Parts: sequence; C-alpha cells; structure tokens
Amino acid sequence: DAKTTQPTSMDCAEGRAANLPCNHSTISGNEYVYWYRQIHSQGPQYIIHGLKNNETNEMASLIITEDRKSSTLILPHATLRDTAVYYCIVRRGGGSQGNLIFGKGTKLSVKP
Amino acid sequence: EPEVTQTPSHQVTQMGQEVILRCVPISNHLYFYWYRQILGQKVEFLVSFYNNEISEKSEIFDDQFSVERPDGSNFTLKIRSTKLEDSAMYFCASSEQGGLAFFGQGTRLTVV
Repeated sequence: DAKTTQPTSMDCAEGRAANLPCNHSTISGNEYVYWYRQIHSQGPQYIIHGLKNNETNEMASLIITEDRKSSTLILPHATLRDTAVYYCIVRRGGGSQGNLIFGKGTKLSVKP
Repeated sequence: EPEVTQTPSHQVTQMGQEVILRCVPISNHLYFYWYRQILGQKVEFLVSFYNNEISEKSEIFDDQFSVERPDGSNFTLKIRSTKLEDSAMYFCASSEQGGLAFFGQGTRLTVV
C-alpha cells in the first residue's frame, strides 16, 4: 500500500473550515484514500473515503487531485469536538490483501 | 447504527497470565482485525482474519498471540502469557468487503 505524508499538527478556529492535506504520490490505480480520526484514545472513527472523484457526506468532504497524488479533507464548520488526530490512509478497496495501516496523522486543534 | 463492540473496556492482569479480549463485529461483516495502541504511540496493525483463517499478521503478532472466531458472532484475541509491554489499547475492527473498516471503542489492557 502507498505511503502518505501529513502535517504533524494544524490549528483551526471554531466555525471555520478545516482543510487537512495529505500527499500520496505513489498511489496506484486500485487504491482508495481513506480518512479516519481518533479522539483521545477512542477507537478510530471512519470519516470518508474515495477513489478519484470528490466525495461528500454528513461529516466532511474529500477532494482528490486529478493525478490522485494528493487529497484534502475538509471539515466545513469545525467545532471543538472535531479536535482529534486525523489519519489519511491509502489502501486497496477490498479483499484480504492489504490492511489499514495508520501513520502518525495530523493533530487538529480547534480553538474557540 | 450497527457497531463493533468490545469487552471488557478495561482489563487488569498480572504478568504471565493469559487474557482473552472479546469483540462482536458488525453482523454481516466478513473481515476482522485487531490493532493495538501503546499509550502515546500510533495505532499498530496486529492481524487480519477472513474465512476462518489469518490473512495477514504483523511482526508484533508472535506466538504469544492467537485469534479465534469461536462462533458466528464473537472474535477473540488471546495473549498467552502477558508481558508488561503488552499494556495498550486493543482495538477490534470489522469490514464487509475488506476495505472500509469500522472500529470498536477498545479494551485497555494493563499488565502489572
């Protein structure tokens, strides 16, 4: 599975959009981009995933560049409860080959 | 909303004792995983399980560890003879098709 690079930490003002970048320049054609977050020591929480098209759900939007070498997770109106470590993970879409491998992620701090 | 449940939430055990951590995956899921997170460190993959056998395991998953799906609902992780360094949060996850996975809230294992 391709590796990802994320900033170590980011700050965001409450109510503003949080844009979390991720580089995955070695991504291959059958690999998806997954985003998870972890609040304190709770279990990782699924946010969103995509292959090449931009995706949106009730939690966030995922923007993937046309060459698929990078992506951005957007939390449109960040709240204090969005303070967490956010993980960008690249993995094949299904099957038993390859697993979700977590890096160090981006620690997002949402400030009042 | 279906969720992965783990029991117990906290387990304290003496060094050298055997522990069994239990997980109830989401009912129609076919792929199962265990991860661990030592305090202050990243989430580490331990093992994946599909079709009643281990699909993949990490270097951490040595002979002291075993997994089992004893019936149609439970998925267990056994540590045969616990060491102090086994103290960590252990997360179970399940997936319907092997890509997107959902995590439980974890079991905090403390070895004393």
